[in-house]
Amino acid sequence: DAKTTQPNSMESNEEEPVHLPCNHSTISGTDYIHWYRQLPSQGPEYVIHGLTSNVNNRMASLAIAEDRKSSTLILHRATLRDAAVYYCILGGTGTASKLTFGTGTRLQVTL
Amino acid sequence: NAGVTQTPKFQVLKTGQSMTLQCAQDMNHNSMYWYRQDPGMGLRLIYYSASEGTTDKGEVPNGYNVSRLNKREFSLRLESAAPSQTSVYFCASSKNRISGNTIYFGEGSWLTVV
Repeated sequence: DAKTTQPNSMESNEEEPVHLPCNHSTISGTDYIHWYRQLPSQGPEYVIHGLTSNVNNRMASLAIAEDRKSSTLILHRATLRDAAVYYCILGGTGTASKLTFGTGTRLQVTL
Repeated sequence: NAGVTQTPKFQVLKTGQSMTLQCAQDMNHNSMYWYRQDPGMGLRLIYYSASEGTTDKGEVPNGYNVSRLNKREFSLRLESAAPSQTSVYFCASSKNRISGNTIYFGEGSWLTVV
């Protein structure tokens, strides 16, 4: 299975944009890039996913490199409620059941 | 909307005891999953059910059994609990197994085996 590499932790000030990087150099052509986040004492929560093109939704934006070997989750204005562990995950066609969660990036947001 | 509901939320077991974690979803999803999360770790897949009537092993199935009772319900059973099974268990569901689908998680069940 293709693996992802994320920084263990990042810090941000409230109201500032946050760019969370993810490297996935062994990604295959059919792998979707998923982002989930996990708030303390809660189950993971879907954030965004994409295949080739950049994606936007109400929560975040996903910027995918042209060669697809890396991607960046962008939170446009971080709030204290965005403090969580963010997971970057790859899922190939027919393997959503086997999405592998690594240790993710712990995002701290300060006033 | 309830989404994915799992019970119990907290449970303490003695080594060797058995118990069943219950999970139900109200989103008419075909696929359901059980994950475990140990402290400071990511989630690991225990078992999944791609559709009603089917179940398959995930990454860490040893010591567990599952039952897909119907489309809504997917239970996880520990036949003889061991301290190594102390963990937080998450049930999840998705429309189907296709990678582009969103997975929805329950709030977790905290299990301690002493």
